[in-house]
Amino acid sequence: EPEVTQTPSHQVTQMGQEVILRCVPISNHLYFYWYRQILGQKVEFLVSFYNNEISEKSEIFDDQFSVERPDGSNFTLKIRSTKLEDSAMYFCASSESRVSNQPQHFGDGTRLSIL
Amino acid sequence: SQQGEEDPQALSIQEGENATMNCSYKTSINNLQWYRQNSGRGLVHLILIRSNEREKHSGRLRVTLDTSKKSSSLLITASRAADTASYFCVHLDTGANNLFFGTGTRLTVIP
Repeated sequence: EPEVTQTPSHQVTQMGQEVILRCVPISNHLYFYWYRQILGQKVEFLVSFYNNEISEKSEIFDDQFSVERPDGSNFTLKIRSTKLEDSAMYFCASSESRVSNQPQHFGDGTRLSIL
Repeated sequence: SQQGEEDPQALSIQEGENATMNCSYKTSINNLQWYRQNSGRGLVHLILIRSNEREKHSGRLRVTLDTSKKSSSLLITASRAADTASYFCVHLDTGANNLFFGTGTRLTVIP
């Protein structure tokens, strides 16, 4: 069964450094998402992406964050200048269409540790 | 907060028993979904119930939805040790295209 893949599984970065988290969504899916889960807390929506542009974003997704679909397969999340509080699991998801009747398929996540 | 709340926060049962988890939410929803998360892993979609549906089955899973009470329940019958995981009630608000996660129920099935 096709799946969403994320790399790396664990990223350790110094505070203030830029980090790029990578995702390969399921190939025929059109909607892409990033979520994060701080240790011990709820999964939080960051951003959704469709047709090469952001369709929705949360308050968490400030100017430090950006997303890109650089080619036909990858979907990336960039954090420009990381802070300690950015330490979390970051999950990428994709769906075939709008989520109104379609489930989102999640990757296994990237654990981001900011030192 | 738009996010839902699961109840109980933790549940421990013997293998073979049924597990029931409840969820409440606050807004008007388009659908409600249940996901599971094994420790340190990603989220796996289990079942989706639309706002105009009241009950849905999938294998050993049974989901109910009461939109008047803004609540849902997930029943896992004949539980197995492999069902040990966190279960999340996730809803999609009307007009939105992103999911709002609850706090999750940590289910432990003892062999």
